[in-house]
Amino acid sequence: EIVLTQSPGTLSLSPGERATLSCRASQSVSNSYLAWYQQKPGQAPRLLIYGATSRATGIPDRFSGSGSGTDFTLTVSRLEPEDFAVYYCQQYGSSPLFTFGPGTKVDFK
Amino acid sequence: QVQLQQWGAGLLKPSETLSLTCTVYGGSFSAFYWSWIRQLPGKGLEWIGEINHSGNTNYNPSLKSRVTISVDTSEKQFSLKLSSVTAADTAVYYCARERDANSGYPLDYWGQGTLVTVSS
Repeated sequence: EIVLTQSPGTLSLSPGERATLSCRASQSVSNSYLAWYQQKPGQAPRLLIYGATSRATGIPDRFSGSGSGTDFTLTVSRLEPEDFAVYYCQQYGSSPLFTFGPGTKVDFK
Repeated sequence: QVQLQQWGAGLLKPSETLSLTCTVYGGSFSAFYWSWIRQLPGKGLEWIGEINHSGNTNYNPSLKSRVTISVDTSEKQFSLKLSSVTAADTAVYYCARERDANSGYPLDYWGQGTLVTVSS
């Protein structure tokens, strides 16, 4: 099983600041099958990034993904008030087919 | 516009069987795999299993002995059964669509979630 580790656990920032979230895999993620999701309280997760670097439909370009192999990064270039949420990374391909990281909470400083 | 709407019993007793169904509105049903995911209280996300329109399934090994996922293509529905539930199965359960292989099967549409509580 590929275990995903996310850091930091909590990121305290102000609107307008840059957020850099890390996701590290215990083994190489096949074909960069790495996705990022945003979740707000009481809501289902929302797909932000897939294939490590591609933005999902309707996702603002302040969100970007990078990385390959075992190290991946989600960057929010300038935080908007609606971006304060929990972010999860997820890999596809190793049994179990989908595994998720424990999440990074981005909250107000 | 694709929408997933899920329903099922929200309160179960230990040893009972959890049963949830997800209906897909809009878009193709047969072109995709469909997943169930759960979120334990205050914790992260756990993938339960998937199915396609032909009934091909894959399950999380940690739950495989208790999970059955089925499909009704004519109704554009897929269902989850989890047997012998305990308090540890208390969670919000989500259905979701898996996007195509070229994208790496990200989960691009989600149901609204169902809180299932197991309590005697």
